[in-house]
Amino acid sequence: DIQMTQSPSSLSASVGDRVTITCRASQSIDSYLNWYQQKPGKAPKLLIYAASSLQSGVPSRFSGSGSGTDFTLTISSLLPEDFATYYCQQSYSSLSMYTFGQGTKLEIK
Amino acid sequence: QLQLQESGPGLVKPSETLSLTCTVSGGSISSSSYYWGWIRQPPGKGLEWIGGIYYTGNTYNNPSLKSRVTISVDTSKNQFSLRLSSVTAADTAVYYCASLQTYASGSYKYYMDVWGKGTTVTVSS
Repeated sequence: DIQMTQSPSSLSASVGDRVTITCRASQSIDSYLNWYQQKPGKAPKLLIYAASSLQSGVPSRFSGSGSGTDFTLTISSLLPEDFATYYCQQSYSSLSMYTFGQGTKLEIK
Repeated sequence: QLQLQESGPGLVKPSETLSLTCTVSGGSISSSSYYWGWIRQPPGKGLEWIGGIYYTGNTYNNPSLKSRVTISVDTSKNQFSLRLSSVTAADTAVYYCASLQTYASGSYKYYMDVWGKGTTVTVSS
């Protein structure tokens, strides 16, 4: 299995801050890395696919980068609606073996 | 605009079979660009991939769930379904269905672009 490890597991930040979340794969996954946002009681929402491609309708303050084993999700200037849990997910392996990171909870400071 | 909706019993007894259906609207389940998948999330925990199916019936299931998982598709109803047998309390979770879009034509890699709202399933006697 490809293990996905996110850091930090939780993060406190203020509105207007620039925030970076990291995701590390246990082996190279090229650029087959996706990011999702989940708010309490809601389904996850796709933000970024293929490591850096912004999903249609997602604000440009969200960006992704990386390839191989190390990836980052950056929010350039936090808005109140951005406080949520973020998950990375790899699509490199067979469709039977897709895996998610454990999540990063972004909280208001 | 593609929409997905899960349905099924909210309570299942231990050792029985969990059965859920995902109804797809706003698009055809027979699209060549999509797989269709199931994901679950135990209370207070992260996301777990269960498996996916193509409209032809080709399936990929998470081996961690061994042979307990069956995913099927009904193209005439634009639906796909999940059956999870021999459930225990550890199978208590919110279950989501999702569409899996291919990265590019000819690619066999997918990302989950549209999700259902999720349905809570509790395993308890």
